[in-house]
Amino acid sequence: DQQVKQNSPSLSVQEGRISILNCDYTNSMFDYFLWYKKYPAEGPTFLISISSIKDKNEDGRFTVFLNKSAKHLSLHIVPSQPGDSAVYFCAALNAGNMLTFGGGTRLMVKP
Amino acid sequence: DAGVIQSPRHEVTEMGQEVTLRCKPISGHDYLFWYRQTMMRGLELLIYFNNNVPIDDSGMPEDRFSAKMPNASFSTLKIQPSEPRDSAVYFCASSLTGGEVKYGYTFGSGTRLTVV
Repeated sequence: DQQVKQNSPSLSVQEGRISILNCDYTNSMFDYFLWYKKYPAEGPTFLISISSIKDKNEDGRFTVFLNKSAKHLSLHIVPSQPGDSAVYFCAALNAGNMLTFGGGTRLMVKP
Repeated sequence: DAGVIQSPRHEVTEMGQEVTLRCKPISGHDYLFWYRQTMMRGLELLIYFNNNVPIDDSGMPEDRFSAKMPNASFSTLKIQPSEPRDSAVYFCASSLTGGEVKYGYTFGSGTRLTVV
């Protein structure tokens, strides 16, 4: 049973437009939610996170929104740049410091 | 710090051969994780250690897979015998208890394994 799901395996966006990546989870006990970014031939790297007690966290062009009632979070990238093209993983952290990952969404930003 | 270091970066082996993947976590980190990335399953946790002790190996797919952490600075993931379906990218990650949990884990660059 997948506790963290990313239902869109890929997303294509024009440069300068907004990219919205979505993630759903089933376990209401998660403490933190994180987004990782992964380029080819590299390991995932931390991008942005949000505490379960918040509903929004912003860092430059990246904003994560959390809707606890819907058990849904999203990552917004505005404006999107070609360098943002990567695979994005949503992850959830429980009280035991264990991360559960979604399946990833491949974002392609076209120039 | 050089980060989490994995070796080799690429491994091509024939079916039936033994494969050993290596990982050096960030110095001082007390958790070490082994993940496998595939198209079908995304990032799946295979096993993790705390203070060199294996805590949960329920993600290890079969008895052909084994992992060890003889000391705080080194871990291995072994597949014996290897099969073509083991082909994937294997990641090692580490983290620190009491650290900034909101940053999650630090991952290595991965080992791309191809079993032919």
